[in-house]
Amino acid sequence: AQSVTQLDSHVSVSEGTPVLLRCNYSSSYSPSLFWYVQHPNKGLQLLLKYTSAATLVKGINGFEAEFKKSETSFHLTKPSAHMSDAAEYFCVVSPQGADGLTFGKGTHLIIQP
Amino acid sequence: GAGVSQSPRYKVAKRGQDVALRCDPISGHVSLFWYQQALGQGPEFLTYFQNEAQLDKSGLPSDRFFAERPEGSVSTLKIQRTQQEDSAVYLCASSSNRGMNTEAFFGQGTRLTVV
Repeated sequence: AQSVTQLDSHVSVSEGTPVLLRCNYSSSYSPSLFWYVQHPNKGLQLLLKYTSAATLVKGINGFEAEFKKSETSFHLTKPSAHMSDAAEYFCVVSPQGADGLTFGKGTHLIIQP
Repeated sequence: GAGVSQSPRYKVAKRGQDVALRCDPISGHVSLFWYQQALGQGPEFLTYFQNEAQLDKSGLPSDRFFAERPEGSVSTLKIQRTQQEDSAVYLCASSSNRGMNTEAFFGQGTRLTVV
């Protein structure tokens, strides 16, 4: 079965410093991987997706993620955090042969002023 | 609006009551998904429709849960004889096709509280 593990339930950074949200995946196939963001009282929004075209994926709002097969990782990064980045972030895999997405448990990103 | 719309946004039900949650997908989207998100957890897949056909209901937790999409657009998730463990946010998502790489657009969800 394909799954994702988000290594941190909470991450706190200061505004203007780099962000790193960690995700490892488990898959025997080449996976489709996504990062979604969930702001309070808003729907889940797609940040970026990996579909094997390029290992470094650029998303919205300055976020990017790198697919590393050797490490089975798909970590999300941003060079400089902004207060508006405070939200819940989900690493997601689209399992082959399945219809729905499989979500990680989420990482709550806190931005300190 | 152009997004996925869910109603009601909040629902409080007494234990044993039946509830119906509505999802209006993006116009023209053939795929529709329901997810359940418990407090502090990631969403979990419940069921999938392609047009009016329910192709996958493997995630429905019990036979008290029933979903339909009779005309291939609006969908309703019904929960019969609600229990406290049904308390969660129910999310609806739609996408333009079935492919793994197709972006799914999510609604804001319906927060169900069973008391």
